[in-house]
Amino acid sequence: DIVLTQSPGTLSLSPGEGATLSCRASQSVSSSYLAWYQQKPGQAPRLLIYGASRRATGIPDRFGGSGSGTDFTLTISRLEPEDFAVYYCQQFDSSPPMYTFGQGTRLEIK
Amino acid sequence: EVQLLESGGGLVQPGGSLRLSCAASRFTFSSYAMSWVRQAPGKGLEWVSVISESGGSTYYADSVKGRFTISRDNSKNTLYLQMNNLRAEDTATYYCTNPRHPGSSWYNYYGMDVWGQGTTVTVSS
Repeated sequence: DIVLTQSPGTLSLSPGEGATLSCRASQSVSSSYLAWYQQKPGQAPRLLIYGASRRATGIPDRFGGSGSGTDFTLTISRLEPEDFAVYYCQQFDSSPPMYTFGQGTRLEIK
Repeated sequence: EVQLLESGGGLVQPGGSLRLSCAASRFTFSSYAMSWVRQAPGKGLEWVSVISESGGSTYYADSVKGRFTISRDNSKNTLYLQMNNLRAEDTATYYCTNPRHPGSSWYNYYGMDVWGQGTTVTVSS
């Protein structure tokens, strides 16, 4: 099974700064099957990015995704106060269908 | 607004059973595969199970295979998760969500874009 490892575990930044979150897969992942989610305390996850780089409906353009193969990145430019949360990458395997999440990166206010 | 509403969580003893439900509204339920994802207290997200649009195909994480059964009633717009032989490590908030597979094909994937608010399951004596 594919394992997703996210880094760093915690990222401390200030509003207005840019953030770069990493997701590394234990083996090559189709970029079509890579998604990113944001989760705030007490809330359900929210889809940000699918297909490695496609923003979900209603997601601001300060969120961007990139990468291929085993290395994927979520970038957030100009951090807003509401962006401080936990972020998860996720990959999908079609045969058989299964979904794997990374362990998460906590983005906290410095 | 599309809504998924889970229910059925609670406190159960180890070895016990529980059935979760997820009611969909303002949502073409029968057009989507549906899934359960759980989150243990203070931990990350873990996929549990997925069911195809018709209910004819089901898949499970190894951690629940043989103990949990996913099903759906498209006439009632409702998803279910029957959980048997529960263990302490099944303690979690359980979310229902819709993994989007356009064209009803497992070979297309657009992420999980609608989530319920979750229902909490606690397995403890």
